[in-house]
Amino acid sequence: SYVLTQPPSVSVAPGQTARITCGGNNIGGRSVHWYQQKPGQAPVLVVYDDSDRPSGIPERFSGSNSGNTATLTISRVEAGDEADYYCQVWDYGSDHQGVFGTGTKVTVL
Amino acid sequence: EVQLVESGGGLVQPGGSLRLSCAASGFTFSSYWMTWVRQAPGKGLEWVANIGQDGSEKYYVDSVKGRFTISGDNAKNSLYLQMNSLRAEDTAVYYCASIGVSDAFDIWGQGTMVTVSS
Repeated sequence: SYVLTQPPSVSVAPGQTARITCGGNNIGGRSVHWYQQKPGQAPVLVVYDDSDRPSGIPERFSGSNSGNTATLTISRVEAGDEADYYCQVWDYGSDHQGVFGTGTKVTVL
Repeated sequence: EVQLVESGGGLVQPGGSLRLSCAASGFTFSSYWMTWVRQAPGKGLEWVANIGQDGSEKYYVDSVKGRFTISGDNAKNSLYLQMNSLRAEDTAVYYCASIGVSDAFDIWGQGTMVTVSS
């Protein structure tokens, strides 16, 4: 089965840039989606199809995907961005299997 | 307002059964693939199952195959997850979500807690 690996934690000062990586074998050939989850809340889609933003998501959230690594970038980090972030792809190899990354806790210092 | 509302969670003994429901409103339910995702306490997200718009296609994570059944009722704008032979490791918050643009999970419910314990 396909595996997505994320760093457990990323710390960033307010106003700086946070970069969260998502590693997978040739992930650049797949469409990557990113979700933000705050404590006690349901996940929210923040980036889809590698780099597109749903309506209502600030431009500070951006994404890229190439080779074996996809990256979610949060610019001008705010206290409200503190959350867990998950990448996600589809593995269509045998079944339509959804795959989530291991998750990254973003802490705003 | 676009909304998904789950219900049916609770405490069940190992080997028992539970049926989760997810009521959709504010969008054309019959036009979307739907999914269940779960999250064990303190753990990450895990995809559980998908169903196509007409119910003819269904997919499951290996750990629930043969035990869980996903279904939908377009007339009632509702999604279901029948869970049988429950195990302690099935303990989690279960979320339903719609699969929208680029096959991303774009609308999520608030979740319902399932606890499997004696």
